[in-house]
Amino acid sequence: DAGVTQSPTHLIKTRGQQVTLRCSPKSGHDTVSWYQQALGQGPQFIFQYYEEEERQRGNFPDRFSGHQFPNYSSELNVNALLLGDSALYLCASSFGTSGSVQQYFGPGTRLTVT
Amino acid sequence: QQQVKQSPQSLIVQKGGISIINCAYENTAFDYFPWYQQFPGKGPALLIAIRPDVSEKKEGRFTISFNKSAKQFSLHIMDSQPGDSATYFCAASIWGQNFVFGPGTRLSVLP
Repeated sequence: DAGVTQSPTHLIKTRGQQVTLRCSPKSGHDTVSWYQQALGQGPQFIFQYYEEEERQRGNFPDRFSGHQFPNYSSELNVNALLLGDSALYLCASSFGTSGSVQQYFGPGTRLTVT
Repeated sequence: QQQVKQSPQSLIVQKGGISIINCAYENTAFDYFPWYQQFPGKGPALLIAIRPDVSEKKEGRFTISFNKSAKQFSLHIMDSQPGDSATYFCAASIWGQNFVFGPGTRLSVLP
């Protein structure tokens, strides 16, 4: 049973560019959440997708957008990249959106903005 | 209100010792409190979780103690091993949504 997979593993972009990160949830999971983890800090919630809709959003600007596909996989898009967007971007999948939801994290995509 | 505080920032323990990490929260609406373990280059992995209607939960060498009135919860790692060396995060959520993570504790277990 494959766990949560993310691609690419590493990415280097220039300030002002746009980036797309991809996530495939664990088999049987229908909910995908995205987190940003700066170096030495805890993950910060960006948004959650369920039934192809954004259900919850953290305190991130509109430059951060996402999409969920019918097969439950998801993309995170970041426009007009800033140096401060350099971080590990984590995808977590779960089943459903309520209760004591157990999230499974992927290995992350390390984004470096120069 | 949404913040979760975590201490200590780093912890060094001898093999076989007890590692204790503490977290505190303000938002009484939080109803699910998981602990995650993260190794370098990996995503966080769920260790153990608790709901506020329980004061303690034990799974193997890992125990969560929960004090609802003080709005505090802690992770105890008994018989700490060098393989436990990792960064530990506490987190909190409301109805399984919008998880808020603490800043993390880097644990080093000396052989």
